[in-house]
Amino acid sequence: SYEVTQDPAVSVALGQTVRITCQGDSLRSFYANWYQQKPGQAPVLVIYGDNNRPSGIPDRFSGSSSGNTVSLTITGAQAEDEADYYCASRDTSSNHLVVFGEGTKLTVL
Amino acid sequence: EVQLVESGGGLVQPGGSLRLSCAASGFTFSTYGMNWVRQAPGKGLEWISYISTSSSSIYYADSVKGRFTISRDSAQNSLYLQMNSLRAEDTAVYYCARDCNGDVSCFDYWGQGTLVTVSS
Repeated sequence: SYEVTQDPAVSVALGQTVRITCQGDSLRSFYANWYQQKPGQAPVLVIYGDNNRPSGIPDRFSGSSSGNTVSLTITGAQAEDEADYYCASRDTSSNHLVVFGEGTKLTVL
Repeated sequence: EVQLVESGGGLVQPGGSLRLSCAASGFTFSTYGMNWVRQAPGKGLEWISYISTSSSSIYYADSVKGRFTISRDSAQNSLYLQMNSLRAEDTAVYYCARDCNGDVSCFDYWGQGTLVTVSS
């Protein structure tokens, strides 16, 4: 079972705004990081430390945190944003160091 | 340019062993914690192991504890994963990933992955 939960699938119309959320008790205490993964490719870090963008990531990607919920927001979604998105955080509920959410498949319509 | 290149994957029978390698370049390998993350076919990401810069701190997921061993060689700029007693459920693409910012769940660079298939 996952200690960090995500919606399995989300869709957004081209150019619109979409929010992908992640919930878990560990998120109250530790930063969340977000990864984008396209089919057949390795994951790419898109948000770190809840709300920071690595260099090279478009500014339409943003992150936020409130309580036990973190969010990844894409403002003006593009076709190339269609991908799986995973949140990750330190795991406080087991001996594991890191826990990933189960992933959200984003479809851009 | 930071590069991580995994190798060593392949087909192995249940109960067998494999050793994965991850060759690092473009950064000072000895100053970063490193991880292995895997992804079973059609499934999500699963963190499986972490090793600190000096190898003094090592963690494993319960699913691999006692069977897998992570190690590193800073002289060779390489990360390793020795996998023993392999099971069908270990079939996955295995990625090595570099820590960033001291946050254990932040991985700023990933390799392209190497496929491990456990089947008779």
